[in-house]
Amino acid sequence: SAVISQKPSRDICQRGTSLTIQCQVDSQVTMMFWYRQQPGQSLTLIATANQGSEATYESGFVIDKFPISRPNLTFSTLTVSNMSPEDSSIYLCSVVDRGHGYTFGSGTRLTVV
Amino acid sequence: GNSVTQMEGPVTLSEEAFLTINCTYTATGYPSLFWYVQYPGEGLQLLLKATKADDKGSNKGFEATYRKETTSFHLEKGSVQVSDSAVYFCALSNSNSGYALNFGKGTSLLVTP
Repeated sequence: SAVISQKPSRDICQRGTSLTIQCQVDSQVTMMFWYRQQPGQSLTLIATANQGSEATYESGFVIDKFPISRPNLTFSTLTVSNMSPEDSSIYLCSVVDRGHGYTFGSGTRLTVV
Repeated sequence: GNSVTQMEGPVTLSEEAFLTINCTYTATGYPSLFWYVQYPGEGLQLLLKATKADDKGSNKGFEATYRKETTSFHLEKGSVQVSDSAVYFCALSNSNSGYALNFGKGTSLLVTP
């Protein structure tokens, strides 16, 4: 199955700053998804990032706040911009892994102070 | 739209007890169904999946059967172990969601010796 390297694993950031999260996949994948998991909660889809097209954002998430890049079939970044304490969450990327369901990165635990 | 409903937790069981975690869904067409597990301090792992009606997914002693008539995918295990303590997420995907996973709220399981 696919292996995803997600970085950073955790960070503590000042409010008003931005953080870029990277996901590198060891194989080419078409579909990639970004999720947020707030403390003690389930996973909420932020956006779908397919290579060669603009990311598609879910209701409540906007490109200015969460810009995404998907330059090729093995890599994507999610930026959390102008952060506030409410952005403190775990952010995860996920890919469709043929025959294996969906594979997730290990997550980025973000704390905004 | 798609939705997944899981039984509320936390669920506390003694070792070797029988486990059932209920999951029902709302979706059009024929979604694929999944159970994911999140052990304390770790990332999401696929536990089992089923892609069509009457399919049974199984792994590590856990089972779930895709019941189209009752729109359910209940997770069962005949004899739980302390090491099964984790949060369990039911999820589905279909073309309506752009093949992103829609998650239930998660059920926390604690198994005591």
